[in-house]
Amino acid sequence: AQSVTQLDSQVPVFEEAPVELRCNYSSSVSVYLFWYVQYPNQGLQLLLKYLSGSTLVKGINGFEAEFNKSQTSFHLRKPSVHISDTAEYFCAVLYMDTGRRALTFGSGTRLQVQP
Amino acid sequence: ETGVTQTPRHLVMGMTNKKSLKCEQHLGHNAMYWYKQSAKKPLELMFVYNFKEQTENNSVPSRFSPECPNSSHLFLHLHTLQPEDSALYLCASSHGLAGALADTQYFGPGTRLTVL
Repeated sequence: AQSVTQLDSQVPVFEEAPVELRCNYSSSVSVYLFWYVQYPNQGLQLLLKYLSGSTLVKGINGFEAEFNKSQTSFHLRKPSVHISDTAEYFCAVLYMDTGRRALTFGSGTRLQVQP
Repeated sequence: ETGVTQTPRHLVMGMTNKKSLKCEQHLGHNAMYWYKQSAKKPLELMFVYNFKEQTENNSVPSRFSPECPNSSHLFLHLHTLQPEDSALYLCASSHGLAGALADTQYFGPGTRLTVL
């Protein structure tokens, strides 16, 4: 069965430091990849997505992610975080070869930015 | 995001009650989704509607009954729920064109459901 693994449930980091949130997915021929952010008491907001083309994807709020097919990873990065980046981040994968039109989500990583 | 609204934001119900969750999108989209977000578990897709037709039911128990009267509205009717159904229920919408699940899904703020 397809799965999405976010290796860290919580990532504490100091303000202005770089951060990487990790995401690995089970191997598949064809995938679309997404990162969503959820601020407290809000729904999910799309940060960025990879459908095809360049493996380095830039999103909103200074985030970027790199698709690595050989390692089946789609890690999220930001070179300098702000207090306002404190939120929960979800990686999601659409497995195109299953016939299901459903996103599979990881369990989330809580990013805690400290002053 | 103000494009997708959900009511109520909080709901407490007993196991014998019948209640409904409402979702409305103001984005002109044609696809709508219900997700369940439980503590410590990944977000789970429940239902997908595309142009008012249900296109996916992710093995959801029959005590959850969706309804999509038009492309702008989506309901989730609840009856005889169990305490383990307590969760945040999120609604989302997208353009819903053919093969377009990969387009952006816009989420509402969710309804926090507690089943006593």
